[in-house]
Amino acid sequence: RKEVEQDPGPFNVPEGATVAFNCTYSNSASQSFFWYRQDCRKEPKLLMSVYSSGNEDGRFTAQLNRASQYISLLIRDSKLSDSATYLCVVNIGDTDKLIFGTGTRLQVFP
Amino acid sequence: DADVTQTPRNRITKTGKRIMLECSQTKGHDRMYWYRQDPGLGLRLIYYSFDVKDINKGEISDGYSVSRQAQAKFSLSLESAIPNQTALYFCATSDPGQGADGYTFGSGTRLTVV
Repeated sequence: RKEVEQDPGPFNVPEGATVAFNCTYSNSASQSFFWYRQDCRKEPKLLMSVYSSGNEDGRFTAQLNRASQYISLLIRDSKLSDSATYLCVVNIGDTDKLIFGTGTRLQVFP
Repeated sequence: DADVTQTPRNRITKTGKRIMLECSQTKGHDRMYWYRQDPGLGLRLIYYSFDVKDINKGEISDGYSVSRQAQAKFSLSLESAIPNQTALYFCATSDPGQGADGYTFGSGTRLTVV
């Protein structure tokens, strides 16, 4: 079983739609959680950290459920520029090593 | 200049050749990493180094070696390249204790082994 699992998609949604991505992790020692965005053939870039109480950054909302070992990302009012792959990432224990999910591809169309 | 610079950006090499991918950083971070990305497999850790004298194997180190020449430089070598090492390679640095918030990735090296 992969340590971090995501639905690969693609998710094809119209502009203005709300879309949600889910992620599960297997290691209960995971301590920190993140969503990264990766454009085609580019380096991944941190989108947002995910906190236990849930957090929001503009149109993006992240949720964490430690009991179910589940992380989510909600994107409201999708823009064409949101088209990318979204990577779920966890940090286990007190190391700086990041464990990446395989990513979920989002395509927003006009 | 980028904080983390990888060279070359693209490389095509033949099976059996030795190749080195280079990474240099101006972040002043002690911790450096090499990741590999294949389509549909996400990023996987090859090697990491927490300081100049510390080298550690990651998830998929077979077929690779590294050298930490200085705090700012961390090179990845393929001693005898094979086609299944065709992938996108990323170098990264991190600021200890910051998790992903302290990570900086290079722009990647696209390697093709024919």
